[in-house]
Amino acid sequence: EVQLVESGGGLVQPGGSLRLSCAASGFTFSSYEMNWVRQAPGKGLEWVSYISSSGPTIYYADSVKGRFTVSRDNAKNSLYLQMNSLRAEDTAIYYCARETRAPGLRIFDYWGQGTLVTVSS
Amino acid sequence: QLVLTQSPSASASLGASVKLTCTLSSGHSSYAIAWHQQQPEKGPRYLMKLNSDGSHSKGDGIPDRFSGSSSGAERYLTISSLQSEDEADYYCQTWGTGISWVFGGGTKLTVL
Repeated sequence: EVQLVESGGGLVQPGGSLRLSCAASGFTFSSYEMNWVRQAPGKGLEWVSYISSSGPTIYYADSVKGRFTVSRDNAKNSLYLQMNSLRAEDTAIYYCARETRAPGLRIFDYWGQGTLVTVSS
Repeated sequence: QLVLTQSPSASASLGASVKLTCTLSSGHSSYAIAWHQQQPEKGPRYLMKLNSDGSHSKGDGIPDRFSGSSSGAERYLTISSLQSEDEADYYCQTWGTGISWVFGGGTKLTVL
């Protein structure tokens, strides 16, 4: 059974930092591209970051570029999101999502349960 | 610009059927999409991939009550024999060139 379990969320002051983790199991983690997607309170889903299966290719949404860093450790079956210079608008539940490719589409086919990040003084 | 548009809300009675719509922006009517379900207080769940010709492939364990269809720039998710656990938010998602993972705004489905 595919499982994605996020951790590391919490309350942080504006300008602070936080590191999220996502532990993967039930599939060959090193073979899959991974993403972070967030959801602000009461709002919809917003893609945040992408990392390729072995890590050399990385993309970020404009809203987090220069502040967030995605990484992975395939030996530990883990995905990470280092968040620096946090702002109130980064307050959200952060989900890790496995990506699979189909003709003409890239799909998030498995999601974690999310971890809540609250940026507030 | 690639945009997905969804109605904010929908409702239908227990045991009935409902059809949710996701509309692709102009110039993108050939795009495939994915449908995701998010039950209250849970992470999203992938339901299916839906192509422009209406063919679709479902995720693991998705019941036959869920089906998809397409017409022009519109992509539909039909849920038949509605159950209480189908009350959820439903999001469509696609991917465009230029490194763009795009979500619709979501439709909140209420089962009456």
